[in-house]
Amino acid sequence: GAGVSQSPSNKVTEKGKDVELRCDPISGHTALYWYRQRLGQGLEFLIYFQGNSAPDKSGLPSDRFSAERTGESVSTLTIQRTQQEDSAVYLCASSSQGGLAGGYTFGSGTRLTVV
Amino acid sequence: AQRVTQPEKLLSVFKGAPVELKCNYSYSGSPELFWYVQYSRQRLQLLLRHISRESIKGFTADLNKGETSFHLKKPFAQEEDSAMYYCALSSRGGSEKLVFGKGMKLTVNP
Repeated sequence: GAGVSQSPSNKVTEKGKDVELRCDPISGHTALYWYRQRLGQGLEFLIYFQGNSAPDKSGLPSDRFSAERTGESVSTLTIQRTQQEDSAVYLCASSSQGGLAGGYTFGSGTRLTVV
Repeated sequence: AQRVTQPEKLLSVFKGAPVELKCNYSYSGSPELFWYVQYSRQRLQLLLRHISRESIKGFTADLNKGETSFHLKKPFAQEEDSAMYYCALSSRGGSEKLVFGKGMKLTVNP
């Protein structure tokens, strides 16, 4: 597509429910990143996919968080048993050459509110 | 560990005034530094990267390894520069993930 697409744009869920966030990267971009931005905070790295390599999961805050990506296509970020501290904007970005050379193209984000 | 510090959260100036958005980093290796910008109701986007040594929209940033800084400067601010600005760092090699600062809101008043 023309840009990085994320859905839903907004999600309100009850504490304890599972949620699934979707990211559709730019076609041909091999690298895909998930970040979280809590209110008043910077972007917090969650996970990175690069082609068929093993993902870098070092930023996932707990085992309630997981993400998948099939090949170089869509990625889903799943949060199980959501907690109020999970409320944030979840941003996805993709890149054709990794973060160094090409920079990232960001999606518009999913605003998650856990009530 | 990699760390990016933007010491000021807010900066308000008048149109035509010079601006400097400060960014300091902590990284033992050879970093790549970036500035990202988010205008109102728009997506976060790349403004410039130090490796390109370019000037975008009148903004420049010089990497000072001695002071571990990458301050963003513009000699004459415009109202359309009002936005959130994020400094980011990436390590060479590895997963190339970006570490972001907390951001700074620039407001340019008429």
